[in-house]
Amino acid sequence: GDSVTQMEGPVTLSEEAFLTINCTYTATGYPSLFWYVQYPGEGLQLLLKATKADDKGSNKGFEATYRKETTSFHLEKGSVQVSDSAVYFCALRNSGNTPLVFGKGTRLSVIA
Amino acid sequence: DTAVSQTPKYLVTQMGNDKSIKCEQNLGHDTMYWYKQDSKKFLKIMFSYNNKELIINETVPNRFSPKSPDKAHLNLHINSLELGDSAVYFCASSTEGGSNSPLHFGNGTRLTVT
Repeated sequence: GDSVTQMEGPVTLSEEAFLTINCTYTATGYPSLFWYVQYPGEGLQLLLKATKADDKGSNKGFEATYRKETTSFHLEKGSVQVSDSAVYFCALRNSGNTPLVFGKGTRLSVIA
Repeated sequence: DTAVSQTPKYLVTQMGNDKSIKCEQNLGHDTMYWYKQDSKKFLKIMFSYNNKELIINETVPNRFSPKSPDKAHLNLHINSLELGDSAVYFCASSTEGGSNSPLHFGNGTRLTVT
């Protein structure tokens, strides 16, 4: 079945450091790819998405590029802030009525 | 103007009890879901409903029974609660517009079974 693998956390960075969270996927067909973020005590919020190869999703300084050849969708941000501390989930969706399949989440802590 | 709302936010109960969690969405979406998030933050799909019909039921014990009175509501009833049911339960909704439609999540219900 479809699956998503993302780097294990926790990841601890200093403010203004560069962030990469790796994500690779296995899927039949041609899935859409998503990054969700979960702030402490809250639900999941869509951060960005990409629906076809070479698409780049971006939001709030985060970006990720859909790489079909490496089946990857790595999340990057050039300069993290303390307010970016959260759990980040990579996910895929393969067709209209199917649910999201999530990776295990990566906890990011940014220290001042 | 909350998009996906779940109640209650916290639920503490004893083993063996029966409890319900309610979910409502005002986004006009056709499909609703229940996910379970365990203590390690892993998210697993439990159920999916499309226009009030069950379309996904992932190996969930039959003590869990979803009910969708209309396409804006998907409630979760749990019988004979067990310690292992302690988790955060998230409701979500989406349109039928293909795989590129994201899911919109509620803020979760933290269930603690003692």
